[in-house]
Amino acid sequence: AQSVTQPDIHITVSEGASLELRCNYSYGATPYLFWYVQSPGQGLQLLLKYFSGDTLVQGIKGFEAEFKRSQSSFNLRKPSVHWSDAAEYFCAVGGLVTGGGNKLTFGTGTQLKVEL
Amino acid sequence: NAGVTQTPKFRVLKTGQSMTLLCAQDMNHEYMYWYRQDPGMGLRLIHYSVGEGTTAKGEVPDGYNVSRLKKQNFLLGLESAAPSQTSVYFCASRSPGRGGPLHFGNGTRLTVT
Repeated sequence: AQSVTQPDIHITVSEGASLELRCNYSYGATPYLFWYVQSPGQGLQLLLKYFSGDTLVQGIKGFEAEFKRSQSSFNLRKPSVHWSDAAEYFCAVGGLVTGGGNKLTFGTGTQLKVEL
Repeated sequence: NAGVTQTPKFRVLKTGQSMTLLCAQDMNHEYMYWYRQDPGMGLRLIHYSVGEGTTAKGEVPDGYNVSRLKKQNFLLGLESAAPSQTSVYFCASRSPGRGGPLHFGNGTRLTVT
């Protein structure tokens, strides 16, 4: 069974500081990995995804994530956080499984607060 | 480009009442999903569909039914609502191809009293 762990429920950073959100996954084959962001009252927006190739992927809004197979991790990073980045962030894992509907499993989310 | 549209946005039901949530997508996607979001639990998959006329159970299907009569629409029904079904419901469709991401609607906030 596939699963995702986001160990940090809440994180607070100062504007301009760097950010790293942790994500660990469990999947029986090569996974597809995603990071989504959710602003209050909104649906989830895709930040970036990984499914093959370069293990460092770039996304929108200046975010990047690194896939580390040996650690089963896909941590999200941003060098300098902006106040508008305050939101909830979800990591998700899925894969190409015959008959499996290409379902994504989501972590429980990390709520990011940005202090001015 | 509307993407994924969910109706209604808010609803309050009494225990035992029924209702249908509608999801419509204009991207011609084959795969569609219904998730519920609860505090501290992330998103959990209720049901999904891999094409018109097909449906399958997800992680938490009990108390819900779905239908996919038309490719662009995916309906989620609650036959007899319970307070445990108070949640925010999200519909999503998936882009085709390897690693195709999900595209989400803005959600339906349902309260069952």
